[in-house]
Amino acid sequence: SQQGEEDPQALSIQEGENATMNCSYKTSINNLQWYRQNSGRGLVHLILIRSNEREKHSGRLRVTLDTSKKSSSLLITASRAADTASYFCATASKYNNNDMRFGAGTRLTVKP
Amino acid sequence: DVKVTQSSRYLVKRTGEKVFLECVQDMDHENMFWYRQDPGLGLRLIYFSYDVKMKEKGDIPEGYSVSREKKERFSLILESASTNQTSMYLCASSLGGGTGKVYGYTFGSGTRLTVV
Repeated sequence: SQQGEEDPQALSIQEGENATMNCSYKTSINNLQWYRQNSGRGLVHLILIRSNEREKHSGRLRVTLDTSKKSSSLLITASRAADTASYFCATASKYNNNDMRFGAGTRLTVKP
Repeated sequence: DVKVTQSSRYLVKRTGEKVFLECVQDMDHENMFWYRQDPGLGLRLIYFSYDVKMKEKGDIPEGYSVSREKKERFSLILESASTNQTSMYLCASSLGGGTGKVYGYTFGSGTRLTVV
């Protein structure tokens, strides 16, 4: 299955700590993307990393990609209560980069 | 601000009814997608479209159909609603990818459908 799988399923941390979420997938990909979903709402695109990239930064977000291990991680530094949300990784097929599949997500709770 | 708009936030329908879920985007995106989201299962792709009047089956198309008569509008149709179609439905759109070009998706806020 192309679908990504996030780990852990749930994560609870204190404000100011870093949060790390992982994603594993099974097939060759064109790119991997991370999304955020606030409770009961649509998903918001956070960051995209191509298969030939190893690391990418956007503000407090850092994404790494290891295609040899078919895994990615999302690091949120200096977390805030407002970061509380579900985070999803999505993988785009190597053969069709507009065909993406999503994992079940990691539920992050940041306590004030 | 660019938007994907889903016509209903909450919807309650009876078993056997024909249900239409509407999605409109104002970004001139070529690609549009319908997902359903269920606890523990993540997002599962129902149907997608890369162009007007074009549609492709996703992973779970059974019991659904779609219509894309105009570029900005992508409709999901439940031909005869059943209780196992109770779910959150999410519409998304993206620019069409040329060679080497990749884009993120823009999602609507979702429609929570309950079939009773």
